[in-house]
Amino acid sequence: GAGVSQSPSNKVTEKGKDVELRCDPISGHTALYWYRQSLGQGLEFLIYFQGNSAPDKSGLPSDRFSAERTGGSVSTLTIQRTQQEDSAVYLCASSTRGGGHYGYTFGSGTRLTVV
Amino acid sequence: KQEVTQIPAALSVPEGENLVLNCSFTDSAIYNLQWFRQDPGKGLTSLLLIQSSQREQTSGRLNASLDKSSGRSTLYIAASQPGDSATYLCAVLFGNEKLTFGTGTRLTIIP
Repeated sequence: GAGVSQSPSNKVTEKGKDVELRCDPISGHTALYWYRQSLGQGLEFLIYFQGNSAPDKSGLPSDRFSAERTGGSVSTLTIQRTQQEDSAVYLCASSTRGGGHYGYTFGSGTRLTVV
Repeated sequence: KQEVTQIPAALSVPEGENLVLNCSFTDSAIYNLQWFRQDPGKGLTSLLLIQSSQREQTSGRLNASLDKSSGRSTLYIAASQPGDSATYLCAVLFGNEKLTFGTGTRLTIIP
């Protein structure tokens, strides 16, 4: 596609429920990042995928968070047993290489609200 | 530890003035540096990308510079307009391919 697509754009869920957030990167982009941004805060790194290499999961805040990337394209971020502190905007970005020379393009994000 | 710092956290200037936003980083081994803007409740829009071998990039009223040896970048905005009001974020792609963001500068242009 022309840009990075994230769905849903907004998600309200009850505490304790599981949620899945989806990211469709730009076609052909091998690198993909997930970040989250809490209200009024900066971007917090969550996880990084690069091609077929093992992902860098060092930013995942707890074992309730997991992410996968199928076929080197679409990525899904899953949060199990959601807590109120998980409320944030979750942003996905992709690039053509491992950072490469082309910079990163961000999606519009998924705003998650846990009530 | 690889860190990116942006100062000031907030800046207000009258319309029409030129201004400079600052970004500093702790490790000179970088691939590139990218400036983004973020409007309230929105995603990130890329403004300028500077490769490690470059010293500056220009787009319209925007000019970004890079000094790797001192670990600094500046974003210069000429003839500021109310529409420039946003949060400006600096992101550094370090050599270990970790894209690290500063906390941003919230810019307000006063009409």
